[in-house]
Amino acid sequence: AQRVTQPEKLLSVFKGAPVELKCNYSYSGSPELFWYVQYSRQRLQLLLRHISRESIKGFTADLNKGETSFHLKKPFAQEEDSAMYYCALRGTGRRALTFGSGTRLQVQP
Amino acid sequence: GAGVSQSPSNKVTEKGKDVELRCDPISGHTALYWYRQRLGQGLEFLIYFQGNSAPDKSGLPSDRFSAERTGESVSTLTIQRTQQEDSAVYLCASSLDSARNYEQYFGPGTRLTVT
Repeated sequence: AQRVTQPEKLLSVFKGAPVELKCNYSYSGSPELFWYVQYSRQRLQLLLRHISRESIKGFTADLNKGETSFHLKKPFAQEEDSAMYYCALRGTGRRALTFGSGTRLQVQP
Repeated sequence: GAGVSQSPSNKVTEKGKDVELRCDPISGHTALYWYRQRLGQGLEFLIYFQGNSAPDKSGLPSDRFSAERTGESVSTLTIQRTQQEDSAVYLCASSLDSARNYEQYFGPGTRLTVT
């Protein structure tokens, strides 16, 4: 079975502060991990995936297989980062994604 | 170009009635996915199509739920004899192919309320 856990429902930070959105997963094989974002009144969209090892909008995420984590980080939060963030996993041989319950990020001015 | 579209955007129905939800994927996308999101929860996978066939229906919660896809395009998710626990946002996504490296693009969702 595969599971994605996002322990925080809400994370509130001030503009310019560092951000870390936590994601832990449970999967016995080698998963693909993703972060999706949903801004207010917009549809869900891909933010980044671990295989790309890229930085998008200043966000990065490193897959830590030892800790089974894929935390999303940004050194300096901006107000426009306020959104719902979902961590997702795709298992070997599967096509569908398994999502966490999401974390709402609020960046205050 | 146009993204994934879904209709209706909102649906209120009485318990026991049947509903049909529609998804129009991005043109040329051969893979199509249905997910459900209950209030305060993450997305749950329901079913995916590769072309017009559905290799994975493992997420359908009961035999009241069914889906079809025609012409490698539009898909319809049907819920028969709706129950209050079916209330959720139903999201559709499409991708170029179901292969691992292709991004899933999501529609705006249909909010279903069963009274």
